[in-house]
Amino acid sequence: DIQMTQSPSSLSTSLGDRVTITCRASQNINRYLNWYQHEPGKAPKLLILAASSLQNGVPSRFSGSGSGTDFTLTISSLQPEDFATYYCQQSYSSPYTFGQGTKLESK
Amino acid sequence: QVQLQQWGAGLLKPSETLSLTCAVYGGSLSRYYWNWIRQPPGKGLEWIGEIKDDGSTNYNPSLKSRVTISIDKSKNQFSLRLRSVAAADTAVFYCARVAYCGSPGCSAFDYWAQGTLVTVSS
Repeated sequence: DIQMTQSPSSLSTSLGDRVTITCRASQNINRYLNWYQHEPGKAPKLLILAASSLQNGVPSRFSGSGSGTDFTLTISSLQPEDFATYYCQQSYSSPYTFGQGTKLESK
Repeated sequence: QVQLQQWGAGLLKPSETLSLTCAVYGGSLSRYYWNWIRQPPGKGLEWIGEIKDDGSTNYNPSLKSRVTISIDKSKNQFSLRLRSVAAADTAVFYCARVAYCGSPGCSAFDYWAQGTLVTVSS
């Protein structure tokens, strides 16, 4: 299985901050990396697919980059609704695997 | 707008069979893979398996011996059965659709249901 490692596991942040979350794959996954936002009690929401393609309806403050084994999710200016847990997920090969999550908390 | 709605028993005893169903509204089952994913309390997301509209399946090897995913195109639904559950199977279970972006390996879970907490306890 491809292991996905996210860092940090949690982050204390403030409104307006620029936030960067990293995800590392245990092997080359090309650009087949997706990012999700998950709020408690809600369905996870797809933010970015194929490393950098913004899903329809997702605000442009979210962006993704990377290829191979190292990827980044950036939120350019944190908004109140962005306090959530973020997961990366590889679709390169089955079984599809997720990172352990990064929880954004208010400082 | 595609919506997924799931249901099933929320409390099981060890050795029982978990059974969940997911209905798809506002879209067809055709041309997509339909998935089950779970999240144990305090842990990350784990992919369980998927089924295509033609009935072909793909399971996580870690659960393959206990999992069956089936599809009912007449009802626009698909289902999960997980046999011989134990406390370690306690989790929120989600159904989700996979969308493909044009090349092998390029896919993402684009629609999810709200999730069902399944607790296994004697």
